[in-house]
Amino acid sequence: SQQGEEDPQALSIQEGENATMNCSYKTSINNLQWYRQNSGRGLVHLILIRSNEREKHSGRLRVTLDTSKKSSSLLITASRAADTASYFCGGGSNYKLTFGKGTLLTVNP
Amino acid sequence: KAGVTQTPRYLIKTRGQQVTLSCSPISGHRSVSWYQQTPGQGLQFLFEYFSETQRNKGNFPGRFSGRQFSNSRSEMNVSTLELGDSALYLCASSPDGELFFGEGSRLTVL
Repeated sequence: SQQGEEDPQALSIQEGENATMNCSYKTSINNLQWYRQNSGRGLVHLILIRSNEREKHSGRLRVTLDTSKKSSSLLITASRAADTASYFCGGGSNYKLTFGKGTLLTVNP
Repeated sequence: KAGVTQTPRYLIKTRGQQVTLSCSPISGHRSVSWYQQTPGQGLQFLFEYFSETQRNKGNFPGRFSGRQFSNSRSEMNVSTLELGDSALYLCASSPDGELFFGEGSRLTVL
């Protein structure tokens, strides 16, 4: 079963707009990590948020974590065409992550 | 610092054959894990090694195996290949639970 399930499955926005993606998970986690993947390539680590954290920022990225609702969100502000990619959340513990099927983000120039 | 290196990047095999994939982690990372990515099942955890010991294992049949060497390099092997084993196999190394992925090995089984 999927640990992380991203929502929406696909998102299309214009350059400069903000993009919000959500992730829900089923079991307890030590941390939740967000990744970006460009078509058929490896996953690029974006941000890690630990279970005792509620919000984390990194550049144009903002991640929130609500452990009571078992959910997380990734906000990309001022999106660029280069942000076009699939985004995955992975939750878990002890170096083992379970991923959802991702959100395909398309940023139109 | 060099990233995670996976070889080969692409390979084609036929059903029944076996394949070995290699992964060199980031220097200093002792944990190496493997994931399979397919369009239908998404990213699925295969196994994780730390200091040459398998610490975690996913729900894959015994045809999938792996090992880690004393220099932290890792290999995974798939025997008796099936069409459904066609996938992108991703290796990740980690210093502390934060995973850093390689570009993957794309396996096509004909």
